Parts: sequence; C-alpha cells; structure tokens
Amino acid sequence: QSALTQPRSVSGSPGQSVTISCTGTSSGVGDFNYVSWYQHHPGKAPELMIYDVNKRPSGVPDRFSGSKSGNTASLTISGLQAVDEADYYCCSYADTFTWVFGGGTKLTVL
Amino acid sequence: EVQLVESGGGLVQPGRSLRLSCTASGFTLGDRAMSWVRQAPGKGLEWVGFTRSKHYGGTTEYAASVKGRFTISRDEYKDIAYLQMNSLKTEDTAVYYCTSYGSSGWKNFDYWGQGTLVTVSS
Repeated sequence: QSALTQPRSVSGSPGQSVTISCTGTSSGVGDFNYVSWYQHHPGKAPELMIYDVNKRPSGVPDRFSGSKSGNTASLTISGLQAVDEADYYCCSYADTFTWVFGGGTKLTVL
Repeated sequence: EVQLVESGGGLVQPGRSLRLSCTASGFTLGDRAMSWVRQAPGKGLEWVGFTRSKHYGGTTEYAASVKGRFTISRDEYKDIAYLQMNSLKTEDTAVYYCTSYGSSGWKNFDYWGQGTLVTVSS
C-alpha cells in the first residue's frame, strides 16, 4: 500500500472541474513541499503536469492547478476536456533521494 | 528536442538477470540526475532508483523492493545509463521507464522515455 493515497477514480463532464486528492499516510513522504503530478495515457510516457505542489511546466494548460493543505495535496482540472481522460499520479520527494508515488486515479470524462 | 530511449527489455526467467539501457538526445544524460520508474501490469507507477550526476558523485538510492538486487550505473563515454537487474522475481514484471529532470528541478521527472517491457516468467 502506497504512503500516498489517491481516490481510485473520479469523473466529470466536459467543461466541469474535478479535483484529485493525494493524502500522505505516513512519515515516509517527506515534508510534502515537493509534490508533483503526472498524467499518464495508457501506452504513452507519463507527463509532468504540476511540480513543487503548485507550479506548472511550460506548455501545460492553465486548466491544471495544484495546491496543498496539511498532508493532502490536490490537483484540480477545470474546463474538462475529453483529452484529459487519463490516469493521474501524485508523487512526493520523500527525502534523501527517494520518491514515492500515489496509487493513481483514473479520470473519466463523461 | 529532448528524448529518452530505453532498451534491453524482454522475457527472462525468475532468478536470472537483465540489463536495461537508457540513452538521451537533446542533452547529456551524464550531466543530470536520473531515475528509473516502473509500472507493473494493471498497477500504478513505482519509483525504482535514482542516481546523481557524476559531478555530484554519482551516488545511488533504491526502493526497498529492489535494493540489493538492482544497480544503476553509467557509461560516461557512451552517455548511457543502465539498470542492472539481478535475481529477478515475477513481481518485477513491468514497463520500465527512464526519467530525468528539466527546468522544473532535479526533484521532478520532466522527461520520460517510452518504456521497455520486462517480463519475468518461467
């Protein structure tokens, strides 16, 4: 069981917003200041969508945003599009050059 | 354009060894820290191991699930990173990705290869 807990699935209609949570369940997730989010379409390489909790890499639409409250980080996708349907993983730099991924959340666009 | 390419995957029997390779274009892999991440069939992403650049000593760290069996190394002349996997178990069956960082900083995985499939089965 991962030290980062995500909902197994979320869904939303086009144009709506969805939020995926990522809760640190043990001390093995570092100080939670280095949380990143990855979008993964099956059969393709994962893509970095958010890093350092709330920063967006160049080229990632501003529909994607990240936040943190206590030991829970969140990824919010606004203005849902069909292309957003994918698996999403949170990841935390745990400490001393180790990382931990969440179990992943399947986003379905209805 | 930055690209990472993994190779070396295949079918291997339990207990045997396999070595994966990772090459880069668009930057010098040896100048950057890099990690290996895997995804078992029907499962999520799992961080496997990390190596710092030679400039920072090339030190390595591994996930508990592979520590003592897997080793990351580099060939600085060929600019290739390797994942040596020994004493393979059926649960090591996965797509293995090589990753490295970009402008977001070394604690993130900006760049990913397409992955190489390792199947451990008798």
